[in-house]
Amino acid sequence: GAVVSQHPSWVICKSGTSVKIECRSLDFQATTMFWYRQFPKQSLMLMATSNEGSKATYEQGVEKDKFLINHASLTLSTLTVTSAHPEDSSFYICSARRLGQETQYFGPGTRLLVL
Amino acid sequence: QKEVEQDPGPLSVPEGAIVSLNCTYSNSAFQYFMWYRQYSRKGPELLMYTYSSGNKEDGRFTAQVDKSSKYISLFIRDSQPSDSATYLCAMTPLAGGTSYGKLTFGQGTILTVHP
Repeated sequence: GAVVSQHPSWVICKSGTSVKIECRSLDFQATTMFWYRQFPKQSLMLMATSNEGSKATYEQGVEKDKFLINHASLTLSTLTVTSAHPEDSSFYICSARRLGQETQYFGPGTRLLVL
Repeated sequence: QKEVEQDPGPLSVPEGAIVSLNCTYSNSAFQYFMWYRQYSRKGPELLMYTYSSGNKEDGRFTAQVDKSSKYISLFIRDSQPSDSATYLCAMTPLAGGTSYGKLTFGQGTILTVHP
């Protein structure tokens, strides 16, 4: 199989606080993980690509100091939304890819609501 | 012009119908093609992947790729109400280049199969 989990599945926080989202590949080693954001009725927007042990590569327009990504092991990547504001409210989804494969397996997503 | 075009629908069909979902693309570097299914408030689920022109069948699903026309399709036979979801096409270049590993998604087609 290729199972990817995310935690938490949903989170509500106050404006100005930081939120950490975990992405785990449960039954395979993920050399690369991706973080996406999805607004209602829209497709996925890639935020950043992270390779295990390396700094993440951010897409144009994504603030790296606001969206901190850590990929410290082959099964875990974290996304921290720092000083969250209401406009950061969204559905955040991670995906993971095995070495040498193009297919990405997605997590179930984390719904963030910033009040 | 978007790199990948997908008719957003919505598409509504009766149970048992054959469903055809399509995407066109403009970037000839795309060589690896995937179809994902996304239920509301969930992460995308991989349905099919292929990198060859022609047809690939898996149960009720058939993925078709025509690289000369830059056109891909997903056919669903004997559609069921449980197939009601958003279907996303995705594609990526194979090894090499700055876009390697990144998926480019279509806008997604909303499908409803009614009993």
